[in-house]
Amino acid sequence: SQQGEEDPQALSIQEGENATMNCSYKTSINNLQWYRQNSGRGLVHLILIRSNEREKHSGRLRVTLDTSKKSSSLLITASRAADTASYFCATEDNYGQNFVFGPGTRLSVLP
Amino acid sequence: DSGVTQTPKHLITATGQRVTLRCSPRSGDLSVYWYQQSLDQGLQFLIQYYNGEERAKGNILERFSAQQFPDLHSELNLSSLELGDSALYFCASSTRTGTNTEAFFGQGTRLTVV
Repeated sequence: SQQGEEDPQALSIQEGENATMNCSYKTSINNLQWYRQNSGRGLVHLILIRSNEREKHSGRLRVTLDTSKKSSSLLITASRAADTASYFCATEDNYGQNFVFGPGTRLSVLP
Repeated sequence: DSGVTQTPKHLITATGQRVTLRCSPRSGDLSVYWYQQSLDQGLQFLIQYYNGEERAKGNILERFSAQQFPDLHSELNLSSLELGDSALYFCASSTRTGTNTEAFFGQGTRLTVV
């Protein structure tokens, strides 16, 4: 079974709006990472947040991590049509094994 | 360009056949991961190798096998193929197993079983 579960499954917004995606996981983790996948392409790493961090920023991306709730959120601000993609969270457990991915959130940004 | 190379990009084969997918990790990366992504599905972790040794196993069918060679490239062998095996197969590499490393993905091999 997958470690991470993203929510919502699909999200459609207008250009310029903010997009928020959530990820929940089940076990203790060493870090949580967010990846992006354009249709049919390989995944691209966006950001990594360690288990002892609560918030991290990278450009228009903001990631939060709440280890007590075993959840993370990815916020994309001022979205662009080019942000249209699927977004996945992945966890690395305390044994340094696996990148276990959730089913992803499909984001559509409408011009 | 992630630095991870997968070949072939596309593969069409018949049911019952056997295929081999190849992955060359980024230079210096010791860990290789294989994933299966079916249509509209998330990535199913199949197997991980680290420096030639199997490190972790996920939802990999017995008809599938993999190995990592001394030069660190990896191959995923799929045999007795079924229609349901049609999917994108991704390989990823990372510098080492644990900790706080990111995975770099290849562009995938699209397998179609007819």
